[in-house]
Amino acid sequence: DAGVTQSPTHLIKTRGQQVTLRCSPKSGHDTVSWYQQALGQGPQFIFQYYEEEERQRGNFPDRFSGHQFPNYSSELNVNALLLGDSALYLCASSAGTALYGYTFGSGTRLTVV
Amino acid sequence: GESVGLHLPTLSVQEGDNSIINCAYSNSASDYFIWYKQESGKGPQFIIDIRSNMDKRQGQRVTVLLNKTVKHLSLQIAATQPGDSAVYFCAEKSGTGNQFYFGTGTSLTVIP
Repeated sequence: DAGVTQSPTHLIKTRGQQVTLRCSPKSGHDTVSWYQQALGQGPQFIFQYYEEEERQRGNFPDRFSGHQFPNYSSELNVNALLLGDSALYLCASSAGTALYGYTFGSGTRLTVV
Repeated sequence: GESVGLHLPTLSVQEGDNSIINCAYSNSASDYFIWYKQESGKGPQFIIDIRSNMDKRQGQRVTVLLNKTVKHLSLQIAATQPGDSAVYFCAEKSGTGNQFYFGTGTSLTVIP
């Protein structure tokens, strides 16, 4: 049983560019949450998708957007990249509104130069 | 906003000793807490959880204690092993939200 899978694992982008990160939830999960983890910090909530809609959003600018597909997979898009966007981006999946069984992927390491 | 913090950023213990990692939270409305373990290059891994209607919960070699009076959470690891070396995070969820708030983390190093 595959857990949460994220791609790519590592990515280097130039300031001002746009990036798309991808997440496939654990089998049986239909809710996807995205977190940003800066080096030496705990993960910070970006947003959550359920039934292809953004259900809740953290304190992140509109440059951060997302999408959820009918198969429950999700994308995180970041426009106009800043050096400060360099971080580990984590995807977590869960079933419906329950946060029990919240499962994280290994993340995508984004470096903005 | 939420505030979840850890008392100690680093902790070193001898192999076989017990470890205690502490966490303070600020939102008295938080009703669910999870301890996560994060190894280098990996995502957070669930260790143990506790609801706010409980004071203590035990797992395999781990125990979580919740003191709602002082808004304090602790993780006890019995007979710490080298494989326990990692960063440990506490995370809280309030009843109204669908997100977790994480603390900064404590780096645990087990000395063989």
